[in-house]
Amino acid sequence: GENVEQHPSTLSVQEGDSAVIKCTYSDSASNYFPWYKQELGKRPQLIIDIRSNVGEKKDQRIAVTLNKTAKHFSLHITETQPEDSAVYFCAASNPRAGTALIFGKGTTLSVSS
Amino acid sequence: ETGVTQTPRHLVMGMTNKKSLKCEQHLGHNAMYWYKQSAKKPLELMFVYSLEERVENNSVPSRFSPECPNSSHLFLHLHTLQPEDSALYLCASSQEGGNEQFFGPGTRLTVL
Repeated sequence: GENVEQHPSTLSVQEGDSAVIKCTYSDSASNYFPWYKQELGKRPQLIIDIRSNVGEKKDQRIAVTLNKTAKHFSLHITETQPEDSAVYFCAASNPRAGTALIFGKGTTLSVSS
Repeated sequence: ETGVTQTPRHLVMGMTNKKSLKCEQHLGHNAMYWYKQSAKKPLELMFVYSLEERVENNSVPSRFSPECPNSSHLFLHLHTLQPEDSALYLCASSQEGGNEQFFGPGTRLTVL
C-alpha cells in the first residue's frame, strides 16, 4: 500500500521568510496530492491540492510542486505570517482506485514576528 | 461549519464502559472515514466506508466497532477501551474514495 513520508517534523521561520515542506510517496499509481492545514484545536482543512497532470500549482502565497518521476511533492509558503503557524499534512491517493487519502506525519510550522 | 458534524465533542469513559461516537455529513458524499489523532500518530486511518460498505479496516482492535447505516451517518462503537486509546477521533467524508476529504471537528476521548 501507499506510504507517505513528510519532512521536517518541525519548522521555525521568521515572519516574511519562506517555508518549504517536503513529502515523498511510494505508490506510483497515486495521482492526487492534497495539503491540509490544522490550526490548534481545529479540524484539518484543505489549503491546496495537485493532480498528476500538472507539475506546479499556485494560490496566492502558497504553491505546490510535484515530481512524479522522483515521487515527491512540496509545499511552498512565501512571505510567511504568524497566522500561518499550524500543523501541515501532506497526503496521497489514487481516486480511480477509490483508496483513502494516506497522510504524512505532519509538520509543525511556527512563524515568529 | 456544518458540513461534517460529530457528537459528542468531549467524552470521558472508564475502561469498562460502552459508548458510541456519531458522525453526520450534510455534503451528499458517499465515502466516510474514521481517523485517530494522537501525538505519536498524527492522522491514523482506522476505517473507510464507501457506499455504506466497509472497504478498509487498518488492523484496528476489535474494541472499536464501526457502523454505517446510510451514506450520511457513521458511528464508532467503543467498549472495554484502554488508556492508550485516549485521543482525538476525527470523522471525514468525500465524494468517492481518494478525493478531497472534509473533516468533522473531532471527539476528544479520554479513557480513565
